[in-house]
Amino acid sequence: NAGVTQTPKFRVLKTGQSMTLLCAQDMNHEYMYWYRQDPGMGLRLIHYSVGEGTTAKGEVPDGYNVSRLKKQNFLLGLESAAPSQTSVYFCASSQQGHSYEQYFGPGTRLTVT
Amino acid sequence: KQEVTQIPAALSVPEGENLVLNCSFTDSAIYNLQWFRQDPGKGLTSLLLIQSSQREQTSGRLNASLDKSSGRSTLYIAASQPGDSATYLCAVSPSGNTPLVFGKGTRLSVIA
Repeated sequence: NAGVTQTPKFRVLKTGQSMTLLCAQDMNHEYMYWYRQDPGMGLRLIHYSVGEGTTAKGEVPDGYNVSRLKKQNFLLGLESAAPSQTSVYFCASSQQGHSYEQYFGPGTRLTVT
Repeated sequence: KQEVTQIPAALSVPEGENLVLNCSFTDSAIYNLQWFRQDPGKGLTSLLLIQSSQREQTSGRLNASLDKSSGRSTLYIAASQPGDSATYLCAVSPSGNTPLVFGKGTRLSVIA
């Protein structure tokens, strides 16, 4: 039982490049989340999903897209990376709703130069 | 809009001391509150979840209390150890239908 895994762990992009971050969970959780964590800003919600095939915007969705084609996977895409997207990205999942215990992945450190 | 504040941002204590971490929130109408721990370079780990109808939850040396009316929660750590050094974050669930709102955390250092 791996819990929540994230791929890749580290990535460096040049401005304007695109990439996809993959989150996978093996707990059969319905809800999945993408957060970014920046010094002094705390943890901010980018997008979330309440079930397979659904997505919704969080607090800071601009510049990101997401997809949840399979229940166990939640993808975060950056179409044209900007230096402001340099951050640590965390994926999380919860069993049945926002108020349930959230399980976090180990994070992806992204640098955009 | 719900806001969650954790003061102080950083705290340093000697090993063995009992300590209290604070969390305050602006809207007392919450569904529940969670405390998380984050080690450097790692993801968050859930420590305790307190439902709005509960006053406290305990797990080992950790005890979390909730006072909805005053918009406060505390995380009490007994007999602190160097291994307790981490950042502790609290998060409130405004309702069952809205995402968690996180505080910025308190970075705890326990000195041997």
